[in-house]
Amino acid sequence: EAQVTQNPRYLITVTGKKLTVTCSQNMNHEYMSWYRQDPGLGLRQIYYSMNVEVTDKGDVPEGYKVSRKEKRNFPLILESPSPNQTSLYFCASSPYAVRETQYFGPGTRLLVL
Amino acid sequence: AQTVTQSQPEMSVQEAETVTLSCTYDTSESDYYLFWYKQPPSRQMILVIRQEAYKQQNATENRFSVNFQKAAKSFSLKISDSQLGDAAMYFCAYVNAGGTSYGKLTFGQGTILTVHP
Repeated sequence: EAQVTQNPRYLITVTGKKLTVTCSQNMNHEYMSWYRQDPGLGLRQIYYSMNVEVTDKGDVPEGYKVSRKEKRNFPLILESPSPNQTSLYFCASSPYAVRETQYFGPGTRLLVL
Repeated sequence: AQTVTQSQPEMSVQEAETVTLSCTYDTSESDYYLFWYKQPPSRQMILVIRQEAYKQQNATENRFSVNFQKAAKSFSLKISDSQLGDAAMYFCAYVNAGGTSYGKLTFGQGTILTVHP
C-alpha cells in the first residue's frame, strides 16, 4: 500500500531531551516536507526537500533539523525540545514538486513538558 | 512572502444544502497553484481540489467546486449537496509555480465545517 508513515504517533518528552520523528514514504517521491499544526494557525511548513541531499527552510525552521540521505526517509530532529514545540506534526510527500498532490502521513502528536 | 487568510473560523450547513468557504491570498507572483485540503476528525489530510493560476476555468471535483478570482486574489470552495461526511476542518493553501520559494507551501488558518442532519 502506498503510504507515508510517521513514528512515533504520540510522544511525551521533557525539555532538552533530543528526539527524532521518523518519516518514510514508499512511493519513490522526490519531494518531502514537514509541517506543524497549531490551533488558530493552521499548518506551517518547517522544512522541505526537493530531492536527496537538498533541503530548505520553510516558515518556522527554528529549533528543528532535517536530513535527506535517501529518497524514502526524511527525519525531523529536535535537538533540544522546548514547550513551544508542543504541536501536531505532519510529514508529506509528492511525486516531483509541491504543486502536485501531497500525500500526508498520519501525524505525530508531541507534548514537551 | 505569500500569505493565505481564511476569515471564517467556523461554518455550518444543513445536510443537502450548499456552503461556501472563503480564502484570500496575497502574492506578487502571476503563476502559482492553490489547493483546498480537508482534515476530518481522523486528522488525515486529504486533497479536495487544486487550481492552477494560469487556467481561467474553475476547477471542479464532483460536489466540490471553486470560484477562483485571480484579480481579487480570492479562492473560495463551494460544497454542494452537503453530506455528513463533509464535516471537517478545511485548509486553503498556496504555492508558487517556480522561483526561489518553489517548494514552500503556505496554508491558511483553517475553517471548521459542521454539517447538521
